[in-house]
Amino acid sequence: GENVEQHPSTLSVQEGDSAVIKCTYSDSASNYFPWYKQELGKRPQLIIDIRSNVGEKKDQRIAVTLNKTAKHFSLHITETQPEDSAVYFCAASPVSTGGFKTIFGAGTRLFVKA
Amino acid sequence: GAVVSQHPSWVICKSGTSVKIECRSLDFQATTMFWYRQFPKQSLMLMATSNEGSKATYEQGVEKDKFLINHASLTLSTLTVTSAHPEDSSFYICSARDLRTENSPLHFGNGTRLTVT
Repeated sequence: GENVEQHPSTLSVQEGDSAVIKCTYSDSASNYFPWYKQELGKRPQLIIDIRSNVGEKKDQRIAVTLNKTAKHFSLHITETQPEDSAVYFCAASPVSTGGFKTIFGAGTRLFVKA
Repeated sequence: GAVVSQHPSWVICKSGTSVKIECRSLDFQATTMFWYRQFPKQSLMLMATSNEGSKATYEQGVEKDKFLINHASLTLSTLTVTSAHPEDSSFYICSARDLRTENSPLHFGNGTRLTVT
């Protein structure tokens, strides 16, 4: 089945700097890759997603890139702010499950220092 | 946007008792819902896929007799943790997709923090 690996597990940046989180997936047929942000004790919230027919997507300070050949995708946060501090999860939806299941990476704990 | 409601938000129970968690899709119909478990500082692990009108599909290593899932209607799925033990203490989160939107993302409930004493 699909396996999603995420790095780093912890990331600390200074306010205003950029943060990059990287993920790889194993199922080359996966076609949907969402990113979720989870604050302590709260539900995961979708922040951006990308489909396999697109190489890059941007939404204000957040961007995601996808390299299908290498089977990896990355989240880029620019001009980080303290409120960006949270746990970020990448995920993949394998086509083998009809795109139904969502398999999550281990998560990256981002600290933005003011 | 699609809203998923989960209840209760937290529960404390004694070892050996059963606990039921409800998950509702409020403004859309969900023929399929997903139940995840999250231990502290860990990722979301898919436990089972709840299917309206049929049996749930459990992930490898998840005991179906311990985690009973019922999806009786298009808007409600329940997870019952039977004969709970302290090692079952965790954060349980349900989720669903609004299939009116192609390739729609998962929408999560607020989660239920279960503590078994």
